[in-house]
Amino acid sequence: AQKVTQAQTEISVVEKEDVTLDCVYETRDTTYYLFWYKQPPSGELVFLIRRNSFDEQNEISGRYSWNFQKSTSSFNFTITASQVVDSAVYFCALSEAGRTQGGSEKLVFGKGTKLTVNP
Amino acid sequence: DTGVSQDPRHKITKRGQNVTFRCDPISEHNRLYWYRQTLGQGPEFLTYFQNEAQLEKSRLLSDRFSAERPKGSFSTLEIQRTEQGDSAMYLCASSPSVGTSFYNEQFFGPGTRLTVL
Repeated sequence: AQKVTQAQTEISVVEKEDVTLDCVYETRDTTYYLFWYKQPPSGELVFLIRRNSFDEQNEISGRYSWNFQKSTSSFNFTITASQVVDSAVYFCALSEAGRTQGGSEKLVFGKGTKLTVNP
Repeated sequence: DTGVSQDPRHKITKRGQNVTFRCDPISEHNRLYWYRQTLGQGPEFLTYFQNEAQLEKSRLLSDRFSAERPKGSFSTLEIQRTEQGDSAMYLCASSPSVGTSFYNEQFFGPGTRLTVL
């Protein structure tokens, strides 16, 4: 069975602080995909990044960076120099590799981490 | 193309009534997914379609729930005899075909918030 755990329910930081959101996953598959989504107060889920299980390179995109470690089954997300606009709920998600031809499989989400960045 | 759209955005109904939601995916996306999100939780998978075929249904999808995608384009999710426990945000997502860019990514709509009184 697949499972995603985001142990941090809520985090509050002051603007310009760095913050790391933790994600630990469980799967029996050797091929899988990991995702981070952002859900601002408006409610719509916004895709941030996808990682496949064969690519353990860390990735940086502007103020965002992701640390994928298969040895600890973790896929952590760091925001550097946080801004008020980063305030949102962040979800980590996992999907298996495609079992049927045609595309993406279902996503299994964690419970999310609510990030509040105070001015 | 403006993304995944859902209608209505909000629905308030009385217990026991039937409700139907609509999702219009991104044009030419062959996969369409339905998720349910309750307060303080992450989205939970309900079902998904590849074109008009319903490929998987979650155990969360009781007999009162039915989803269709008759022509492989838009989809409807119907809940019969609604219960207060059905109150949630119902999210729709779509993804493009394998072999195209972003085929593993799901693009989400704004959701339909259901309140059952």
